[in-house]
Amino acid sequence: TQLLEQSPQFLSIQEGENLTVYCNSSSVFSSLQWYRQEPGEGPVLLVTVVTGGEVKKLKRLTFQFGDARKDSSLHITAAQPGDTGLYLCAGVRDSNYQLIWGAGTKLIIKP
Amino acid sequence: SQTIHQWPATLVQPVGSPLSLECTVEGTSNPNLYWYRQAAGRGLQLLFYSVGIGQISSEVPQNLSASRPQDRQFILSSKKLLLSDSGFYLCAWSGGPQGLAYNEQFFGPGTRLTVL
Repeated sequence: TQLLEQSPQFLSIQEGENLTVYCNSSSVFSSLQWYRQEPGEGPVLLVTVVTGGEVKKLKRLTFQFGDARKDSSLHITAAQPGDTGLYLCAGVRDSNYQLIWGAGTKLIIKP
Repeated sequence: SQTIHQWPATLVQPVGSPLSLECTVEGTSNPNLYWYRQAAGRGLQLLFYSVGIGQISSEVPQNLSASRPQDRQFILSSKKLLLSDSGFYLCAWSGGPQGLAYNEQFFGPGTRLTVL
């Protein structure tokens, strides 16, 4: 059973479009992280959200943590080819601080 | 600053041969260390994690093993590789400024293993 569901699994859009990636769970997390991974490299941490309802912005990327701390979203405005990659969400459970990973969203931005 | 190294970067091994992948971390002490495997374009599968020297927890029963002979060294091994062991192996550490509660992980460059 996948505790963190990411959607969509795959997304291919044109440069300049907006997009949203979702990370959903029935479990509560004490914090949630988003990573981006380029082919042949390790994932790189983008952001950590901690408080329910929290919104963080990283240039054209906006991250939101759900009020109940069970879900999160990543919104990209005016996507660029450099945004191409695999986006992974990961949640920390209060009980044991283990990191639960989503299966990833593969994003392709076409010039 | 902290850095994490993995080697080799790529490896092609025959079925039944042994395996040793190494990971070292610089610039931090007493990190939590992790081995993950990743299928092409997909999420991460946690294989092993370690909270200290000689302390290894296994998440998935298989023919792989891990060891932590030194504080900042983590080794992934196998006595006999299977075809299904092919994949992208990632080492990560945590224990950064935000501490264990956030468990933010920092990854090495990975090893691409192909078993033929």
